[in-house]
Amino acid sequence: DQQVKQNSPSLSVQEGRISILNCDYTNSMFDYFLWYKKYPAEGPTFLISISSIKDKNEDGRFTVFLNKSAKHLSLHIVPSQPGDSAVYFCAASGASYGGSQGNLIFGKGTKLSVKP
Amino acid sequence: GAVVSQHPSRVICKSGTSVKIECRSLDFQATTMFWYRQFPKQSLMLMATSNEGSKATYEQGVEKDKFLINHASLTLSTLTVTSAHPEDSSFYICSASGLGNNQETQYFGPGTRLLVL
Repeated sequence: DQQVKQNSPSLSVQEGRISILNCDYTNSMFDYFLWYKKYPAEGPTFLISISSIKDKNEDGRFTVFLNKSAKHLSLHIVPSQPGDSAVYFCAASGASYGGSQGNLIFGKGTKLSVKP
Repeated sequence: GAVVSQHPSRVICKSGTSVKIECRSLDFQATTMFWYRQFPKQSLMLMATSNEGSKATYEQGVEKDKFLINHASLTLSTLTVTSAHPEDSSFYICSASGLGNNQETQYFGPGTRLLVL
């Protein structure tokens, strides 16, 4: 059973436009959410995170929105740049959800392509 | 941001040999380190969690005698793939979290590509 789902395997956006990457989760015990960016054959790079006590966190071009009632979060990138092209992973964790301490549960990723 | 290194970045070995992968946190003390495995076009799979000075906690289905993990200091964890076989070929990635950083955020190393012939 997938606890963190990224239903869009790929997304293509024009440079300068907004990229919206979506993530859904099923376990209401998750209380911390993260987004990572990953290039092939490299480790994921941390982008931005949000605690369940917030509904929005912004860092430069990246904004994460959390809708707890819908168990949904999204990453907005604006404006999108060609260098943003990568695979984006959503991850969730929660000290009390029953998993290993600090365990991150990852979605399967969404491949973002930003076209010039 | 926090920096995590891994060594080696790539390794090719013969079946039956053992391979050691090092994971280091360069600018912070990592109280917890994690080892992941990634198969092509798939998500990251957590293999084990290690806390400094204690035995690693392995995820279900991961053989602890096959994948030996040592977290001897706050800046170094090692993963040893013992008696490697072709099916162990994969991309192994470590991450670290700990003192001086948001302890819920994991910072990842660049990964190690293992190919077992």
